[in-house]
Amino acid sequence: GENVEQHPSTLSVQEGDSAVIKCTYSDSASNYFPWYKQELGKGPQLIIDIRSNVGEKKDQRIAVTLNKTAKHFSLHITETQPEDSAVYFCAASTYSGGGADGLTFGKGTHLIIQP
Amino acid sequence: NAGVTQTPKFRVLKTGQSMTLLCAQDMNHEYMYWYRQDPGMGLRLIHYSVGEGTTAKGEVPDGYNVSRLKKQNFLLGLESAAPSQTSVYFCASSYQGVVNSPLHFGNGTRLTVT
Repeated sequence: GENVEQHPSTLSVQEGDSAVIKCTYSDSASNYFPWYKQELGKGPQLIIDIRSNVGEKKDQRIAVTLNKTAKHFSLHITETQPEDSAVYFCAASTYSGGGADGLTFGKGTHLIIQP
Repeated sequence: NAGVTQTPKFRVLKTGQSMTLLCAQDMNHEYMYWYRQDPGMGLRLIHYSVGEGTTAKGEVPDGYNVSRLKKQNFLLGLESAAPSQTSVYFCASSYQGVVNSPLHFGNGTRLTVT
């Protein structure tokens, strides 16, 4: 099955600086890569995603890049703000139809924004 | 809209006891999922359903059963709880499956088995 590795487990940055979280996946058939943000006491929430036919996607201060050859993808947050403090999860899916479904998640990165 | 609602929010069980976690969604989503979250382990898929009356196993299904008798509800059962099932359980739903539509998560149920 798919295996997703995520690094680092904890990341502390100064407010206003950039943060980068990296993930690698094992199954070359994976074709969908979402990122989820989890605030304390809540469930994860989708913040951005990318498909295997795209190399980069941006949404305001958040961007995701995908390198299919190396089988890794990264989340970039620019101009970090206190409200960016949370746990971030990457995930991968090898959905191929036929009723099978589900995501394989990384173990999470605790992002701390220092004032 | 309430989105995805999980009950209860907290529960303590003794080893061998049984219980059912309830998940309800009001978004008319076809797909529903149960994940468990453990420290340093991320989220792992227990069971999922692609429609009313259907269920399928995920990555860690042992010790759990599920039922989807109504489209809006997805129940997770523990027949004989074990300390290894101490975890935070998240229910999620999506309109057309994880690749075509985002997962919407509930706020979790924290279960402790002593």
